[in-house]
Amino acid sequence: SQTIHQWPATLVQPVGSPLSLECTVEGTSNPNLYWYRQAAGRGLQLLFYSVGIGQISSEVPQNLSASRPQDRQFILSSKKLLLSDSGFYLCAWSRTGVPPTPQHFGDGTRLSIL
Amino acid sequence: AQKVTQAQTEISVVEKEDVTLDCVYETRDTTYYLFWYKQPPSGELVFLIRRNSFDEQNEISGRYSWNFQKSTSSFNFTITASQVVDSAVYFCALSEWKAGGTSYGKLTFGQGTILTVHP
Repeated sequence: SQTIHQWPATLVQPVGSPLSLECTVEGTSNPNLYWYRQAAGRGLQLLFYSVGIGQISSEVPQNLSASRPQDRQFILSSKKLLLSDSGFYLCAWSRTGVPPTPQHFGDGTRLSIL
Repeated sequence: AQKVTQAQTEISVVEKEDVTLDCVYETRDTTYYLFWYKQPPSGELVFLIRRNSFDEQNEISGRYSWNFQKSTSSFNFTITASQVVDSAVYFCALSEWKAGGTSYGKLTFGQGTILTVHP
């Protein structure tokens, strides 16, 4: 069976510090990978998606970047965090192909910027 | 552009009541997929159902049922005989799909409905 791991679960960072959140998927190959942000009391906003190693698409301009160094590894980064980067970050994967398959989500990372 | 509207921000019911969560969507695509996800207090999103735009048949899974009406662009979710464990945020989402193209499975989410079931 497939599993998705996301860490850390909680993170408190000062403004201006760097960020690295990691997500890995097991039990499947060549998945589509996604990073979402959920602000408090709001819906999910798609930040990045990837259909293959080194292939990253950004959905919204922002202070964050994403990378996919390996097939089942997806990393969310920032060089200098802003207060507005606070939120709940969720990684997700889906099977490649059409029609669109359900996305399966990790447990999320709660990021607080001080 | 695609849009999903969940007009009910919060719903509060007493256990054993039936509750319907509304979802209205906008898309220019003739082929698309609709999803419902549940987000319990622990935070992870749990997939509940996927429905394509050509299949308007209602679906029932235990206490859950879904009513898809293309004419009104709605995909409503009903929980029968609600339980405390149903308390969560529920999201409706829409994914485009263009025949011969690649959708990458990108989802447009509604803002979610917070459901609280009281004992």
